[in-house]
Amino acid sequence: DAMVIQNPRYQVTQFGKPVTLSCSQTLNHNVMYWYQQKSSQAPKLLFHYYDKDFNNEADTPDNFQSRRPNTSFCFLDIRSPGLGDAAMYLCATSRVRESEQYFGPGTRLTVT
Amino acid sequence: GESVGLHLPTLSVQEGDNSIINCAYSNSASDYFIWYKQESGKGPQFIIDIRSNMDKRQGQRVTVLLNKTVKHLSLQIAATQPGDSAVYFCAEGPYNTDKLIFGTGTRLQVFP
Repeated sequence: DAMVIQNPRYQVTQFGKPVTLSCSQTLNHNVMYWYQQKSSQAPKLLFHYYDKDFNNEADTPDNFQSRRPNTSFCFLDIRSPGLGDAAMYLCATSRVRESEQYFGPGTRLTVT
Repeated sequence: GESVGLHLPTLSVQEGDNSIINCAYSNSASDYFIWYKQESGKGPQFIIDIRSNMDKRQGQRVTVLLNKTVKHLSLQIAATQPGDSAVYFCAEGPYNTDKLIFGTGTRLQVFP
């Protein structure tokens, strides 16, 4: 009974070739998050949505974009992936003002 | 490829012993704290949380202690098992936000 689903689990893309990662949730949570996690590091918040309100972190590169067409789905678009963008990308959800976040299994992105 | 990660602090314990993982948090205005467990190749998994109006909270085999005076959080795992081997992250939730700030993480290794 997966609650936060990420597809694909593994994604290989070429340097500079746009890629989209997807996340869906069955929890009906208002808030959805995208994190980048590199090896042996803590998850780093890229942006989050409160319903349709988009909140970008100040240090998130313009290369990263996001879309949330409805409550259940959220997408991470990397317009021109560089080698430094290779990482695990985690999607999470939460209820409004309840800080526990529910994480998906992540998508491991490789850039060749 | 992916950037070389930092070396995580590592705690090695013998199976059956108790484990204590420590975390220093940064924001005195944080009112919510949470511990996540992350196994290799998976998303973070909720373990236990605590609000700032409490000093201690117990779960099944786990206890979280909060010392607001020195901004310190700890996770105690009783009778550590091989399945407890993972990276543990603390996270703090600043008051009235939807965000979590993650600590650097500690790798727990359990040996027989």
